[in-house]
Amino acid sequence: AQSVTQPDIHITVSEGASLELRCNYSYGATPYLFWYVQSPGQGLQLLLKYFSGDTLVQGIKGFEAEFKRSQSSFNLRKPSVHWSDAAEYFCAVGTSGYSTLTFGKGTMLLVSP
Amino acid sequence: NAGVTQTPKFRILKIGQSMTLQCAQDMNHNYMYWYRQDPGMGLKLIYYSVGAGITDKGEVPNGYNVSRSTTEDFPLRLELAAPSQTSVYFCASSYLGRRETQYFGPGTRLLVL
Repeated sequence: AQSVTQPDIHITVSEGASLELRCNYSYGATPYLFWYVQSPGQGLQLLLKYFSGDTLVQGIKGFEAEFKRSQSSFNLRKPSVHWSDAAEYFCAVGTSGYSTLTFGKGTMLLVSP
Repeated sequence: NAGVTQTPKFRILKIGQSMTLQCAQDMNHNYMYWYRQDPGMGLKLIYYSVGAGITDKGEVPNGYNVSRSTTEDFPLRLELAAPSQTSVYFCASSYLGRRETQYFGPGTRLLVL
């Protein structure tokens, strides 16, 4: 069965600084990988996804993520964080032929002024 | 398009009571899902449906029931509420051609006392 690990429960970043959120997955074949963001009291919004092809994917709100098969990782990055980016971020893996996603436990991003 | 809608937004139940969480989508998506989200635990899949009349269990189905009589609606039933079912419940849907990309509703916060 697939699994997702987000090693950081909380991360604090200064506004304007760069951001990297870590995600490691476990799955035997090529996975479908996702990053979702959840603002307080809201549902989840899809930031970006990787299915195949270029391993660097661009998403909404200036986010990008890079798929590294050798490291089983799909880390999320943003060059300059804005206060409005403060939220919880979830990495998820889906498998070809199946309809369900497995989510990590999430990383809470705090942005300091 | 309203997307995925959920009602109610918040509910308090007494132990042993029953209730139905409503979920509807207007995107003509075949796949629908119910998740629960507990603090620090990410999202866990309760049930999902691949089309009207077809449902299947997810990771944590005990204490819940679902039905899917139409493409649009996917209600979640709690028969005998227990404190362990205190959680935030999210409904999601996805399109047949891109099953792994899920669209989430705003959530229902349930408190069982």
